[in-house]
Amino acid sequence: DIQLTQSPSSLSASVGDRVTITCQASQGITNYLNWYQQKPGKAPKLLISHASNLKTGVPSRFTGSGSGTHFTFTISSLQSEDVATYYCQQNDDLPPALTFGGGTKVEIK
Amino acid sequence: EMQLVESGGGLVQPGGSLRLSCAASGFTFSDYSMNWVRQAPGKGLEWVSYISRSSSTIYYADSVKGRFTISRDNAKTSLYLQMNSLRDEDTAVYYCARDTNLDIWGQGTMVIVSS
Repeated sequence: DIQLTQSPSSLSASVGDRVTITCQASQGITNYLNWYQQKPGKAPKLLISHASNLKTGVPSRFTGSGSGTHFTFTISSLQSEDVATYYCQQNDDLPPALTFGGGTKVEIK
Repeated sequence: EMQLVESGGGLVQPGGSLRLSCAASGFTFSDYSMNWVRQAPGKGLEWVSYISRSSSTIYYADSVKGRFTISRDNAKTSLYLQMNSLRDEDTAVYYCARDTNLDIWGQGTMVIVSS
């Protein structure tokens, strides 16, 4: 099974800061990599599909890039409403499984 | 509005069974594959099972294979998860989600396995 290693596991940044999260796949997944935002007590929400396609209605401060095994998720200017846990997920390797990264908890400093 | 609504969660003893349902609305249900994803308390997301549009292809995570059964009824626009031989480690919020891009999620239903 493909493993996704997400880093960091948590971060604290100030409003307006640029925030970057990385997701490393154990083998190549071309661009079959999605990013989700989960706010406390809520269901996850898809932000970016196919590594870099921003879902309609998602603010443009969220971007994704990468292909193969290395992927990056960036918030260009952190806002208070961005406090959440962010997950990467691959859908290149089904079967046997869809897999998620371990998550990155983003907080405001 | 496209929506998924789960139901059927609750408290069950180890070894017991539970059937979860997911009602879809606002889109053509039969056009999409569906998944169940769970999240144990304080933990990350774990994919559980996948079913294709026509139910012809089904996959399970190793952790639930042989115990859980996914199914769907396109006429009723509903997805199901039959959970048997439940274990403590199955305690989680269970979400249904559309497509392998998981682009729409329900609000989740809590399953607690405890004696």
